[in-house]
Amino acid sequence: SQTIHQWPATLVQPVGSPLSLECTVEGTSNPNLYWYRQAAGRGLQLLFYSVGIGQISSEVPQNLSASRPQDRQFILSSKKLLLSDSGFYLCAWIPRRGHSYEQYFGPGTRLTVT
Amino acid sequence: GEDVEQSLFLSVREGDSSVINCTYTDSSSTYLYWYKQEPGAGLQLLTYIFSNMDMKQDQRLTVLLNKKDKHLSLRIADTQTGDSAIYFCAERESKGATNKLIFGTGTLLAVQP
Repeated sequence: SQTIHQWPATLVQPVGSPLSLECTVEGTSNPNLYWYRQAAGRGLQLLFYSVGIGQISSEVPQNLSASRPQDRQFILSSKKLLLSDSGFYLCAWIPRRGHSYEQYFGPGTRLTVT
Repeated sequence: GEDVEQSLFLSVREGDSSVINCTYTDSSSTYLYWYKQEPGAGLQLLTYIFSNMDMKQDQRLTVLLNKKDKHLSLRIADTQTGDSAIYFCAERESKGATNKLIFGTGTLLAVQP
């Protein structure tokens, strides 16, 4: 069966510090991968998506970057965090050959920038 | 661009039916989805409906789709306190091959005992 992991679960970082959040998927190959941010108040904002190793598309200009060094690994990074980067970060995947394109979400990482 | 709208809050009594509504703008959307988010957790896929269907039922959940009005609803029968959560409606973006989903802002369902 397929599972998706995110690490760490919670993180408190000072302004100006670097960031690295990791997402890994098990039990599938060649998935589409997505990073979302959910700010307080609910809405989900799509940050990045990837259709393959080394292929990253950015949805909004921001202080963050993403990388996909392996087929089932997706990393969200920042060189210098801002207060506005605080939020709940969710990783999601869909199987490349899925017929209904539903996205499956990880448990999320709660980031607080102080 | 595409947009998905939901009411922010719904309160029901335990045992009653809940109906959560959603409107979307992309008439070419092929799939629409309902997700549930409990406090501090990720989103859990509840169900989805293909655009050539009017209704889909899955145990206590019934999804109704009105393509003409671009309106989607989720009915939860016999609502329980464990159903208290935020419910998100989402549509699959029809253009491109990236399978992006456009999410609504979520409806907070509060179930009163």
